[in-house]
Amino acid sequence: DAKTTQPNSMESNEEEPVHLPCNHSTISGTDYIHWYRQLPSQGPEYVIHGLTSNVNNRMASLAIAEDRKSSTLILHRATLRDAAVYYCILRGSGYALNFGKGTSLLVTP
Amino acid sequence: SQTIHQWPATLVQPVGSPLSLECTVEGTSNPNLYWYRQAAGRGLQLLFYSVGIGQISSEVPQNLSASRPQDRQFILSSKKLLLSDSGFYLCAWTAGLEPQHFGDGTRLSIL
Repeated sequence: DAKTTQPNSMESNEEEPVHLPCNHSTISGTDYIHWYRQLPSQGPEYVIHGLTSNVNNRMASLAIAEDRKSSTLILHRATLRDAAVYYCILRGSGYALNFGKGTSLLVTP
Repeated sequence: SQTIHQWPATLVQPVGSPLSLECTVEGTSNPNLYWYRQAAGRGLQLLFYSVGIGQISSEVPQNLSASRPQDRQFILSSKKLLLSDSGFYLCAWTAGLEPQHFGDGTRLSIL
């Protein structure tokens, strides 16, 4: 499976936008880009996914580079409840999701 | 709507004892089911997945086994637990290649 690279940690102030980057230079043409987040002591929660076009939902926006080698998860106004580990995952035709170490987001009031 | 249930939420077991963790899904038919483990401070590791009753695929060799006796029931077992089996166990389901939905997990401590 193609691999993703994310920063280990990021910090944001409450009510400010957050841009979480992800590099996936070996992405294949059929891989979807999925984002999940995991709050402490909970199971991962699906956030958003996309293939080529930018995507928006009630939780976040996903901006995908034109060459698809990178993407950015955008939280428009961070809240304290957004503090979590965010995982960027490439979903191909296989059954497994390859959860790396993700980005630990700290939100400060 | 679909829901996923895992129990127990926490479990403390002695080394060498057996294990049975259960996961059930409601509101969907013929889901793909998954067992993951998360060691402390690490990412999730896929242990088993199942695409149908009685069909189990193992991703890593280990001391654990899985079974799917009913369409929406997935069980993780061990005959004799090792210290290295400690961790946070998560069950998940999906329909096809849709996003996976996770349960609340079982935190297993081996003494």
